[in-house]
Amino acid sequence: EPEVTQTPSHQVTQMGQEVILRCVPISNHLYFYWYRQILGQKVEFLVSFYNNEISEKSEIFDDQFSVERPDGSNFTLKIRSTKLEDSAMYFCASSGRQVEKLFFGSGTQLSVL
Amino acid sequence: GESVGLHLPTLSVQEGDNSIINCAYSNSASDYFIWYKQESGKGPQFIIDIRSNMDKRQGQRVTVLLNKTVKHLSLQIAATQPGDSAVYFCAEIPRLLSGYNKLIFGAGTRLAVHP
Repeated sequence: EPEVTQTPSHQVTQMGQEVILRCVPISNHLYFYWYRQILGQKVEFLVSFYNNEISEKSEIFDDQFSVERPDGSNFTLKIRSTKLEDSAMYFCASSGRQVEKLFFGSGTQLSVL
Repeated sequence: GESVGLHLPTLSVQEGDNSIINCAYSNSASDYFIWYKQESGKGPQFIIDIRSNMDKRQGQRVTVLLNKTVKHLSLQIAATQPGDSAVYFCAEIPRLLSGYNKLIFGAGTRLAVHP
């Protein structure tokens, strides 16, 4: 079964550093998402992306965050200057023709020290 | 194992028993609801969905019930197995669009299945 893949599985960084989280969505999907989950809390929506532009973003997704689809397969989330409170599990998701059915990757655990 | 700060409600059941996991959702006008299963170290995995114009939907060993009057969603798992042990999240889509759809997740419930 096709799946969403994310790399790296764990990322440790120093506060103020830039990080790029990478995702390869399912190949024929058109809608892409980033969600995050702080330890012990709900999964929260960050951003949705379609046709090379952001469709919607949450208030969490401030100017320090950006997304990009640099080629036909990758979908990245960049945090320009990480803060301690950015520490979380970041999930990429994609959906296809059945637009309401999101498929999630296994996540990248980001730890900001 | 659990980490400090992980304060999820836990449902403990015996293998073979039926499980019922409950969720209260926030938006009475939401169009669509989904249950996700999250195993340790993995992303949420789709289990079953239901549209707001239905009150029950059955899957292979799972049933979702929707009570719009009290904004309540439940997931019933029949003959619970050790592999069902996970955290279960309900999610809602406030307005089902033909394109992208934003999920709003509820608080999770940890299901622990004992042999």
